[in-house]
Amino acid sequence: EPEVTQTPSHQVTQMGQEVILRCVPISNHLYFYWYRQILGQKVEFLVSFYNNEISEKSEIFDDQFSVERPDGSNFTLKIRSTKLEDSAMYFCASSDSGTTTSANTGELFFGEGSRLTVL
Amino acid sequence: AQSVTQPDIHITVSEGASLELRCNYSYGATPYLFWYVQSPGQGLQLLLKYFSGDTLVQGIKGFEAEFKRSQSSFNLRKPSVHWSDAAEYFCAVGRFVSGGYNKLIFGAGTRLAVHP
Repeated sequence: EPEVTQTPSHQVTQMGQEVILRCVPISNHLYFYWYRQILGQKVEFLVSFYNNEISEKSEIFDDQFSVERPDGSNFTLKIRSTKLEDSAMYFCASSDSGTTTSANTGELFFGEGSRLTVL
Repeated sequence: AQSVTQPDIHITVSEGASLELRCNYSYGATPYLFWYVQSPGQGLQLLLKYFSGDTLVQGIKGFEAEFKRSQSSFNLRKPSVHWSDAAEYFCAVGRFVSGGYNKLIFGAGTRLAVHP
């Protein structure tokens, strides 16, 4: 069964360092997302990406964050200068094109997450 | 604005007992509703979803959920809980943008513990 894969599973970094989290979405999906979950809190939307550009971003997704699809398979989240409060589990997700009437429901498939610890 | 409320932070049930996890949503149009489960250290697995049609939806692992528009609820149920169901459960509401992009708003989650 197709799945979303994420690397690394866990990364520890020093405050101020740059971090890149990588994701391989499901191959025929068109929409890509990053969510994050701070320990003990809810899963929060960060950004969605379609057709090589950001579709929507949350207020969390400030200038420290960027996303990129550098090739046909990878989708990356970069944090330029990490802060302590960036420590969280970061989930990548992908979906196909959904409509209200088609069999494609636009369901999001999530990866297993990348745990980022900023010291 | 969209929001999802899961009133119960923690629930403990005995193995074999029935389960109901509550979810209330706020959304201005027809909602697309989801339940995800997260086992410790794992990602988010979709249990079931509601898009339209029958308001009682069946999911994986013996779960079901009922959409009640009048109550703005989408409660998750299981008639007999297994120890392996211990996990965190997230309700989410989705919004389709034209073209099929779907943004999910999650509730805070309900942590389920199962006693043997």
